[in-house]
Amino acid sequence: QSALTQPPSASGSPGQSVTISCTGTSSDVGGYDYVSWYQQHPGKAPKLLIYEVSKRPSGVPDRFSGSKSGNTASLTVSGLQAEDEAEYYCSSYAGSNNYVFGTGTKVTVL
Amino acid sequence: QVQLVESGGSVVQPGRSLRLSCAASGFTFTNYGMHWVRQAPGKGLEWVAVVWADGSNKYYADSVKGRFTISRDNSQNTLYLQMNSLRAEDTAVYYCARDLYLGSSGELGFWGQGTQVTVSS
Repeated sequence: QSALTQPPSASGSPGQSVTISCTGTSSDVGGYDYVSWYQQHPGKAPKLLIYEVSKRPSGVPDRFSGSKSGNTASLTVSGLQAEDEAEYYCSSYAGSNNYVFGTGTKVTVL
Repeated sequence: QVQLVESGGSVVQPGRSLRLSCAASGFTFTNYGMHWVRQAPGKGLEWVAVVWADGSNKYYADSVKGRFTISRDNSQNTLYLQMNSLRAEDTAVYYCARDLYLGSSGELGFWGQGTQVTVSS
């Protein structure tokens, strides 16, 4: 199972928006509405931001939103804040009880 | 509150075995699927294995199939990962993680702090 493809980096100034893509295939992202997004600060465990493409767990600000079109999912962070600087990973169910993560995107707040 | 605490990581020689543990608390352990996810130094996340809530089914990434075994002791609220025939490429921080909700499909809502496994001679 190959990792989902994400851009290595993205950036934006405080208050701006940044969108991260996550490209898979019809066997994972395109085949199921089980796409998740995680935020990971250096040295810390990942934190779930988005599940089932666009749902937010309790406590996650609505500045974080998710969507999907075909084999590509996207995470948008609106109103960028300094604390949003982190690594972001997508994940998808890939069938047959297998799961795959994305390659990760480093978001820098300028 | 949900707590997951991994232990058992260490430095081990190639070909040897190691067992990781993950002690769970703050929720009804028997209601949730549990996963292991790893992260090699400076690399991304890699899903390793899942065990269903009742322990009846277990699934693995191809990279560990046949070498690693996931299990759980629901009487002790503990998740395990038995790792055999370890290779240098198994060097990583290993996280245990809980499904977000009963029956969810890999949405990992809670994570432990991780335990370091280093495979080196």
